[in-house]
Amino acid sequence: KAGVTQTPRYLIKTRGQQVTLSCSPISGHRSVSWYQQTPGQGLQFLFEYFSETQRNKGNFPGRFSGRQFSNSRSEMNVSTLELGDSALYLCASSEGTSGSEQYFGPGTRLTVT
Amino acid sequence: DAKTTQPTSMDCAEGRAANLPCNHSTISGNEYVYWYRQIHSQGPQYIIHGLKNNETNEMASLIITEDRKSSTLILPHATLRDTAVYYCIVRVALAYSGAGSYQLTFGKGTKLSVIP
Repeated sequence: KAGVTQTPRYLIKTRGQQVTLSCSPISGHRSVSWYQQTPGQGLQFLFEYFSETQRNKGNFPGRFSGRQFSNSRSEMNVSTLELGDSALYLCASSEGTSGSEQYFGPGTRLTVT
Repeated sequence: DAKTTQPTSMDCAEGRAANLPCNHSTISGNEYVYWYRQIHSQGPQYIIHGLKNNETNEMASLIITEDRKSSTLILPHATLRDTAVYYCIVRVALAYSGAGSYQLTFGKGTKLSVIP
C-alpha cells in the first residue's frame, strides 16, 4: 500500500496570507489527524477528521481549520498567517478504530516571512 | 491522557540492544502505550503499541511491567539508521460513535544516538 502523502512539501508564504495543505491517507483509512511541529512547542495536535466529520480538536485558534472529503483526503487551511505559524505540518492516517495506530506523512514545511 | 517520563538522551553501540525506558505511573486501565520515532525532519514513524501484554514485531519489542506503570522499548540490534528521537505515548481510546477517537500527545522523547 502507498503511504500517507502530503502536498506541497515546502511552502513559503507572507504574513497575512492564507494557505491550504493537502493530505492523502493510506487507502482504506478513514481517519486523518493533523499536527503542528515547532522547535519550541514540539508536536501538537490540531484536529482529527473521521468520515468527513471533525471529531476531535486541539487548542489552536480558529484561524486553523480543516475538512475531509468523501474519499478521506483532507485539507488544512490557515488564514491570516503569522510568523509563529512557521512549522512542519504533519498529517497522520489511521483506520480510526480503538487501538489502531496512526501513520504519518512526510510533512509540509511552511515558512511565513 | 497519562503523562510519560523518558530520559532526554541515550547512547547505544551499533549492533547492541537499545533499551529505552518510559515511566507512566498514572496510566489507566484503558490506556495503550505507543512508541514512535522521528528521524530528523521526517514524519514520526510508528514502531509498536500494547495494552497489557508484551508485544514484538519486526522492528522492536515492547515490555510492559505487570503494574503497567512503566515500559521498555527494545531494539534488538541497533544500527546507525536507528538514531532518532523516540517518543513514548500513553493514549486513551475514547468511544465515539462506535469508533475510537484519539489524539497522540507527544512529549520531548529520548534522543537515541547509535555509536559506530
